[in-house]
Amino acid sequence: AVQMTQSPSSLSASVGDRVTITCRASQDIRNALGWYQQKPGKAPKVLIYAASRLESGVPSRFSGGGSGRDFTLTISRLQPDDFATYYCLQDYNFPRTFGQGTKVEVK
Amino acid sequence: QVQLQESGPGLVKPSETLSLTCSVSGGSISGYYWHWIRQPPGQGLEWIGHIYYSGTTNYNPSLGGRVTISVDTSKNQFSLKLRSATAADTAVYYCARDRGYPDYAMDVWGQGTTVTVSS
Repeated sequence: AVQMTQSPSSLSASVGDRVTITCRASQDIRNALGWYQQKPGKAPKVLIYAASRLESGVPSRFSGGGSGRDFTLTISRLQPDDFATYYCLQDYNFPRTFGQGTKVEVK
Repeated sequence: QVQLQESGPGLVKPSETLSLTCSVSGGSISGYYWHWIRQPPGQGLEWIGHIYYSGTTNYNPSLGGRVTISVDTSKNQFSLKLRSATAADTAVYYCARDRGYPDYAMDVWGQGTTVTVSS
C-alpha cells in the first residue's frame, strides 16, 4: 500500500497567515492526490483534486501543488472558517490511503 | 443535489456482523464509484473499500478479508458488511461518492453514522 506521510501533524496560525501543509507518498503517484478539510463532527469536504485542481465552490485562497511523491496544500490568507483538520488522500491505486491529518489551530 | 444517508445499527456485539446501508437521493447511483470510510474516535480517516455501480469492488486488505460491499441499483443504495466485529471497529462510518477517472475525488459525503462494538 502507498503510505502517505503528512506534516506537520498540527500547527498554530493566525488569521491572515499563509499556511502550507505537505504530504509525501512512499512511491510515485503522479498527480493522483486530493486534499480534504474536516471540521469537528462533520464529514470531510474535498478542496483539491488531481493535486492542483480546485474543487468547484472552494475559495481560491486554497491551492495545491506537486507531483510524483511530494505535494503541498497552501492557504494563502487563513480565514476564521479555515481552522480545521486537513487530510491528503492518494487515489493512484488501491487501497486508497489517507495522510495522518494536520490540525490547524488558532495561535 | 445528490445526498447520501448512512443507516444501520448504532450498537453491534463483538463477533457479530456490522451492517450499514448508504441511500443515494437526488441523483443516480449509476456511473460513479461509491466508498466506505471510517474514523475511530479521535483518530484519522481509514478507507474501507469501494464499489463501482456495476458491482466491481476493492477492499482494504488491512481489514483481513472481513468486508463485503454490495450495490442495489434498483433501490439506489449500497451496503457495507464487516464480519467478526471487534472493539477496534468502533468508529464513525461515512459513505462517499467518487467521480472516478479522470477527476477522482470523493465529492459527496454522508453525514456519518456512529457504530459502537460492545457487549
